[in-house]
Amino acid sequence: NAGVMQNPRHLVRRRGQEARLRCSPMKGHSHVYWYRQLPEEGLKFMVYLQKENIIDESGMPKERFSAEFPKEGPSILRIQQVVRGDSAAYFCASSLLTDSYEQYFGPGTRLTVT
Amino acid sequence: QKEVEQDPGPLSVPEGAIVSLNCTYSNSAFQYFMWYRQYSRKGPELLMYTYSSGNKEDGRFTAQVDKSSKYISLFIRDSQPSDSATYLCAMSGVGGSQGNLIFGKGTKLSVKP
Repeated sequence: NAGVMQNPRHLVRRRGQEARLRCSPMKGHSHVYWYRQLPEEGLKFMVYLQKENIIDESGMPKERFSAEFPKEGPSILRIQQVVRGDSAAYFCASSLLTDSYEQYFGPGTRLTVT
Repeated sequence: QKEVEQDPGPLSVPEGAIVSLNCTYSNSAFQYFMWYRQYSRKGPELLMYTYSSGNKEDGRFTAQVDKSSKYISLFIRDSQPSDSATYLCAMSGVGGSQGNLIFGKGTKLSVKP
């Protein structure tokens, strides 16, 4: 499977717990983007990362959310002390080129906070 | 006013019909325009992308951009039941950033056999 991979596909967390979402980009891609899709809302950009660097985090909430893309391994979106409003589908996309509009999306992680 | 407006539908058409999907936008700085298809409970799939104004054709799909009107369209010819999905428009280019995509809410399309 050469596509973008995300895991887990479904994640249930109680309020106050931490959520970790993982994304492996397409083979050969080194640019990763995270988006959030709230119910009845469009996809919203959160953050753009290259290996070991955060390039654009203009869409990230200021508190509780963080993202990384280490030299080895998948990109991780971490949400600390989750609240019910964090329940959403989180999509990762990757691109071959730097800061590219040509992005390929993974299947998403559906986070439910109870 | 939202940056990108898209009629959510739902839009229902018979098989074989020509489908027209549209988005309007307010920010004249957008330079790149994309259409994605999203099946239920799946990730968005990139269909087409265009730069600036003009038309682009790919098989049964045609994308049009009219920057003077801040209006983009996706036409689907000879629509098939397998085209039933939500179609998302997306744009970028503000502040020189191509990768920060701004999405419409999506139009849900149903093609009836």
